[in-house]
Amino acid sequence: DSGVTQTPKHLITATGQRVTLRCSPRSGDLSVYWYQQSLDQGLQFLIQYYNGEERAKGNILERFSAQQFPDLHSELNLSSLELGDSALYFCASSPGVSRSYEQYFGPGTRLTVT
Amino acid sequence: AQTVTQSQPEMSVQEAETVTLSCTYDTSESDYYLFWYKQPPSRQMILVIRQEAYKQQNATENRFSVNFQKAAKSFSLKISDSQLGDAAMYFCAYRRVSGTYKYIFGTGTRLKVLA
Repeated sequence: DSGVTQTPKHLITATGQRVTLRCSPRSGDLSVYWYQQSLDQGLQFLIQYYNGEERAKGNILERFSAQQFPDLHSELNLSSLELGDSALYFCASSPGVSRSYEQYFGPGTRLTVT
Repeated sequence: AQTVTQSQPEMSVQEAETVTLSCTYDTSESDYYLFWYKQPPSRQMILVIRQEAYKQQNATENRFSVNFQKAAKSFSLKISDSQLGDAAMYFCAYRRVSGTYKYIFGTGTRLKVLA
């Protein structure tokens, strides 16, 4: 158990809908990362937050957005969902942004768009 | 931009034997981290081993060791005395030590362990 929690575990929704994925980082971790893993692919970086501020962006679609709240949990919002958005979404956290900090991954949320 | 390549989509190994998974990467930086992650059917990402580029000594963790060839930009994972529980997807990942700390992952190698 990495200490990172993600809810829900599974989500099934229809095209055009909007969903929110939630991530609680490890206690004390300030930095949160979101990754997308499509079927049997590697993880693709979406976005990073550090202490409430957006720190870095990857190939995140405009239909997707995220935020990190004062209690440091983070939410990833996916809207106007398409079939191709079906994937496993991982959240990872680290204590900060030091060179030596590695990321600890949550169990992921599996999103199925039908 | 940095890239990570895993050219073996699938590998098989007999139980108790040794297997090596390959990873190459491309970067213009001299200092970085490299990782191997295991993803079993549960889909949890489990850190297997990490290597700091400025350290010449190859990292080892019990039955897992790496062969880090910095000049060749190669980072292979050797699993000794393979066990059935080693069956999983294995991902190689790269991370910078400055700027954004995102991981860049390869496409993975599926390891099958044969009894």
